[in-house]
Amino acid sequence: SQTIHQWPATLVQPVGSPLSLECTVEGTSNPNLYWYRQAAGRGLQLLFYSVGIGQISSEVPQNLSASRPQDRQFILSSKKLLLSDSGFYLCAWSVGEQQPQHFGDGTRLSIL
Amino acid sequence: GESVGLHLPTLSVQEGDNSIINCAYSNSASDYFIWYKQESGKGPQFIIDIRSNMDKRQGQRVTVLLNKTVKHLSLQIAATQPGDSAVYFCAETGNQFYFGTGTSLTVIP
Repeated sequence: SQTIHQWPATLVQPVGSPLSLECTVEGTSNPNLYWYRQAAGRGLQLLFYSVGIGQISSEVPQNLSASRPQDRQFILSSKKLLLSDSGFYLCAWSVGEQQPQHFGDGTRLSIL
Repeated sequence: GESVGLHLPTLSVQEGDNSIINCAYSNSASDYFIWYKQESGKGPQFIIDIRSNMDKRQGQRVTVLLNKTVKHLSLQIAATQPGDSAVYFCAETGNQFYFGTGTSLTVIP
């Protein structure tokens, strides 16, 4: 069966520090991969999605970037975190478009 | 742009009763819909989906109804249990997924 792993579960970082959140998927090949941010009491905002290695689409201009160095690995990064980058970050995968997206358990990022 | 939203932000039901959570969408081109359950501190969990060529689909204790005429989606949970307490939100997609903000369901023992 397929599983998705995100780490770390929680992270506290100072303003201006770099960020690297990692997501890996097991049990499937060539998945679509997604990064979302969820603000408290709000819906999910799609940040990036990828349909293959090295292919990244960005949905909103921001201080973040994403990379997919391997088929089942998706990384969310920042060179310098802002206070506004605080939130709950979720990674998801799907077998393709118009298919269920399956989520990891998220990383709660707090910027101080 | 598209909007996906829920009519009620909170819902409280007695254990054993049926729950109905509603969702409205605005993109008439959307043809695939999903309901998710999200427990505190966790990622959303897939519950059930429905495509636009159907108006009803049933799972284990859950039923999704789709009314394309009024662009309305509902999730019915039968015999609601304390473990059903969570935030439920719908998602719709034409070319891209859009997620609602969610309804918080509280089950009263």
